[in-house]
Parts: sequence; structure tokens; C-alpha cells
Amino acid sequence: SQKIEQNSEALNIQEGKTATLTCNYTNYSPAYLQWYRQDPGRGPVFLLLIRENEKEKRKERLKVTFDTTLKQSLFHITASQPADSATYLCALGASGGYNKLIFGAGTRLAVHP
Amino acid sequence: EAQVTQNPRYLITVTGKKLTVTCSQNMNHEYMSWYRQDPGLGLRQIYYSMNVEVTDKGDVPEGYKVSRKEKRNFPLILESPSPNQTSLYFCASSRGGTNEQFFGPGTRLTVL
Repeated sequence: SQKIEQNSEALNIQEGKTATLTCNYTNYSPAYLQWYRQDPGRGPVFLLLIRENEKEKRKERLKVTFDTTLKQSLFHITASQPADSATYLCALGASGGYNKLIFGAGTRLAVHP
Repeated sequence: EAQVTQNPRYLITVTGKKLTVTCSQNMNHEYMSWYRQDPGLGLRQIYYSMNVEVTDKGDVPEGYKVSRKEKRNFPLILESPSPNQTSLYFCASSRGGTNEQFFGPGTRLTVL
């Protein structure tokens, strides 16, 4: 069955450093991958989308890579700030019309001053 | 302001007492979904709708019903709630295509 793995342990980093979160998947060939941010008690908020034919995508301090051979996406936050502390979810989607997204359980990031 | 709203935000009920969680979006999105979020399991889709009067099951539809009589509204109905439906519920809407989801604020449901 399809499976998405995100590190269940929290990632603790120092302010100013680069945070790197991992999303691995098996038994799936996604057409695109999305990353969301979720703050406690709130709904997820869309951050970035990367398609299967794209290796890298950037948005301000965020960078996402997508390696369909390794079946892995990396999500980077450069110059991290305490305000970046949240849970980050990855989601995989197929192509063609509406296809449901499959979400990972998320990784909690804590950026310490 | 573009948004998805859900009501109620918090609900404590007892086993077997029918309840409805409302969801409304003001972005004219065709697609709407309901998810539940449980610790360690991530977001799991309950039902989705591709348009008015078009709905389909997601991964965990048992014990839930939905309807889509208007484009903007997508209520979630629990006819006979049970304790295993205690969870955090999110409604979401999207345009389709690459399916960027716009989530509501969530409804925390406790079934005693």
C-alpha cells in the first residue's frame, strides 16, 4: 500500500541555521508533491508545490527538492527563525482531474533563539 | 477574505447522538473534502466532492455522511457517533488540478 514517511521526532535547531525536513514515500508515483505548514490548533496552510519533472523549487527562504528516483522530497528553511516553529506536512498527488492527496503525519520543527 | 469556515469549532457529545459539522467556502471552489487528523496518522480523507451533488468516499468513510446541495457548503454528518470518531476534523476546498487545499480552522470532536 502507499506509504509516506516523515520524521516523527521533532527537529530542534538554532535560529539562523538551515532546517531540513524529509518526506519519503513508497508504492506511489506522484505527479506532484506539496508542503504545508500547520500551527497548533489550526488548519494546514499550503506553502509550495513541486511537480515530478521539477528538481527544485524556491520561495523566499523555502526550498523544496523532489527526487523521484530516491522517492524523496527535502524541504529546507534557510536562516530559520523562531516564527518558523510549526509542524510541516508533505502531501502527494496524482495527475489528471481531481485526485486525492495523501498526507504524511508531519514533522514538528522547533527553532530556538 | 477568502476562507473556509467550520462550525462548531469544539463539540463534546455522547455516543449515538446525531450531529452535523458545517463547512462553507467563499472561493467558488468546485472541490471540497473532509479530513480527520489523529496523532501519528496524519490527515486522512473521509469524503470528497467534485461538484454539486457529486460526492465520493475517501479513505475512512465509515460512520460518516456528506451532502453537497450548494457549491459553497459541504456538511459532515455523523448519524450515530462513536468514541472512535473522537478526532480533529478539517474541511478543505480546492480548484482541482494540482489541488492546493485551503483548510478550515478545524473542529475538535469528542464522543463520550
